[in-house]
Amino acid sequence: DGGITQSPKYLFRKEGQNVTLSCEQNLNHDAMYWYRQDPGQGLRLIYYSQIVNDFQKGDIAEGYSVSREKKESFPLTVTSAQKNPTAFYLCASSPRDREGLYGYTFGSGTRLTVV
Amino acid sequence: DQQVKQNSPSLSVQEGRISILNCDYTNSMFDYFLWYKKYPAEGPTFLISISSIKDKNEDGRFTVFLNKSAKHLSLHIVPSQPGDSAVYFCAAKASYDKVIFGPGTSLSVIP
Repeated sequence: DGGITQSPKYLFRKEGQNVTLSCEQNLNHDAMYWYRQDPGQGLRLIYYSQIVNDFQKGDIAEGYSVSREKKESFPLTVTSAQKNPTAFYLCASSPRDREGLYGYTFGSGTRLTVV
Repeated sequence: DQQVKQNSPSLSVQEGRISILNCDYTNSMFDYFLWYKKYPAEGPTFLISISSIKDKNEDGRFTVFLNKSAKHLSLHIVPSQPGDSAVYFCAAKASYDKVIFGPGTSLSVIP
């Protein structure tokens, strides 16, 4: 079955450490996205990529970094510069020309907790 | 400034009745509108969308209405079921731009 896989589902990090969240899709989608959700809040865009080897900052990119070396993969690194990293992180993908009709496909999320 | 607004953070409805979730937007360039449903600790799932050239789209128990002059859309769920209890996100998209999400409305369907 096609879909998006995020791993791990739960992640604990010590303050001052970088951590990388994995996102892999086998939907052959060109575009991929990273969102953050905090309790009681909506989805905020961190980074997105519409093509391999290219990515753009979203609304809250500070303290995060990404790479897009393969079409299937869009890992997110939460760096020690991110002030409040504890959150639920969601990865999504979409075909480039049909997002309006079919929306994004989301992974099941990674809950990151800084201890 | 929020381009997609969902002014009701929460809504409670009796099982079997109609649920109406509202959404307002500010950008007249949006040409697609979407609704997503999200359960706790899971990713959102796409429910239904509507193009700006239409005023209604229906899929089973879910109907979305678009009023472009008022920059308003709504999602109707009839009849509401306990399994519909979730957070519903309204979203919108302009051509060649990314999807913009609203803050969400938490729906509780009471048995």
